[in-house]
Amino acid sequence: AQSVTQPDIHITVSEGASLELRCNYSYGATPYLFWYVQSPGQGLQLLLKYFSGDTLVQGIKGFEAEFKRSQSSFNLRKPSVHWSDAAEYFCAVGFYNTDKLIFGTGTRLQVFP
Amino acid sequence: EPEVTQTPSHQVTQMGQEVILRCVPISNHLYFYWYRQILGQKVEFLVSFYNNEISEKSEIFDDQFSVERPDGSNFTLKIRSTKLEDSAMYFCASSFRGETYNEQFFGPGTRLTVL
Repeated sequence: AQSVTQPDIHITVSEGASLELRCNYSYGATPYLFWYVQSPGQGLQLLLKYFSGDTLVQGIKGFEAEFKRSQSSFNLRKPSVHWSDAAEYFCAVGFYNTDKLIFGTGTRLQVFP
Repeated sequence: EPEVTQTPSHQVTQMGQEVILRCVPISNHLYFYWYRQILGQKVEFLVSFYNNEISEKSEIFDDQFSVERPDGSNFTLKIRSTKLEDSAMYFCASSFRGETYNEQFFGPGTRLTVL
């Protein structure tokens, strides 16, 4: 079945540690790929997106993500996490022939000082 | 920086009542969307709207739901007769162009609680 999977529901890291949030998709064609972040009481903010070209994309707040076609993955990374990064992170996919974004279930990131 | 706003932030209603959720999209955007997130579940697409008509809708968006752009700034989602299972966070979004490679800007959401 077509799906977007974020296997980690909750991740806890120490401030300054590196971070990787996983996202896998299951679709026949390569979708457009997105990572959104949601802080408490806030809307969904776009961190970065991939449409084509360079498979390593840079986003805001020091985040990057790498598209790996062979693994159908689009993992989000940050080399050094800050306490303000604590939030919920959503991977999403889109396609050229549709308006809708399809979201994963989200990963809640907790950061310890 | 322009942003999408939504009112109210929290709405409590009785089952069977009508509710209207309001959104003010970014002013020069042309495409408007509603998504919802039931507690503990993923964000789900409901409907997209362009040029005063629905351009796409999901199977969730049944006859109980309707959308409208009543004036030049507001975009509303109406639920005619709410059910318990309509309890969710409802997000409005807007984009300048259609197709998903154009960034959709999301509002902070309205939490709907149906009692």
